[in-house]
Amino acid sequence: GENVEQHPSTLSVQEGDSAVIKCTYSDSASNYFPWYKQELGKRPQLIIDIRSNVGEKKDQRIAVTLNKTAKHFSLHITETQPEDSAVYFCAASGGSYIPTFGRGTSLIVHP
Amino acid sequence: GAGVSQSPSNKVTEKGKDVELRCDPISGHTALYWYRQSLGQGLEFLIYFQGNSAPDKSGLPSDRFSAERTGGSVSTLTIQRTQQEDSAVYLCASSLVVWGTGKGETQYFGPGTRLLVL
Repeated sequence: GENVEQHPSTLSVQEGDSAVIKCTYSDSASNYFPWYKQELGKRPQLIIDIRSNVGEKKDQRIAVTLNKTAKHFSLHITETQPEDSAVYFCAASGGSYIPTFGRGTSLIVHP
Repeated sequence: GAGVSQSPSNKVTEKGKDVELRCDPISGHTALYWYRQSLGQGLEFLIYFQGNSAPDKSGLPSDRFSAERTGGSVSTLTIQRTQQEDSAVYLCASSLVVWGTGKGETQYFGPGTRLLVL
């Protein structure tokens, strides 16, 4: 089955800096890669996703890049703000009906 | 429109008791998934339903766990003879189509039920 590795597990940055979270996957059949943000005590919410026919997608301060050859995809957050502090999860589709999630990255943005 | 809702939001029970957790998916979503999230951990898949097909129960950790989905809408996750290791947040998610089948597979999560087994 699919295996998704997410790094780092914790990321601490200063407000205004950029943050990058990387995920690698194992199943070349994966074609859908969403990113979820989960604030403390809240539900995971989709922030951006990308499909395998696209190499990069942007939405204001966040972007996702996909390298199908290397089987990795990354979340980029620019000009970080304290409200970006949360746990971020990546996921990959694999070849099944069951998503495989990364273990999460706790992003802390210091004012 | 209304998102995914879950009830109760919190549940405290004694070891050995049975509990029922409810999920109301977004109207029109044919796929419904249950996950478990332990403190500081990722999302552990439990079971999914797709339309009227038989559910995929491959993630259920033991036969004390069961789930049903009535009328293709509301779902109930039941844990019998609860154990302390069952303490976790149980999340439900729904999507237009089942994961891995193309556009519409984005999952929308409910707020979760925080279960504490004493």
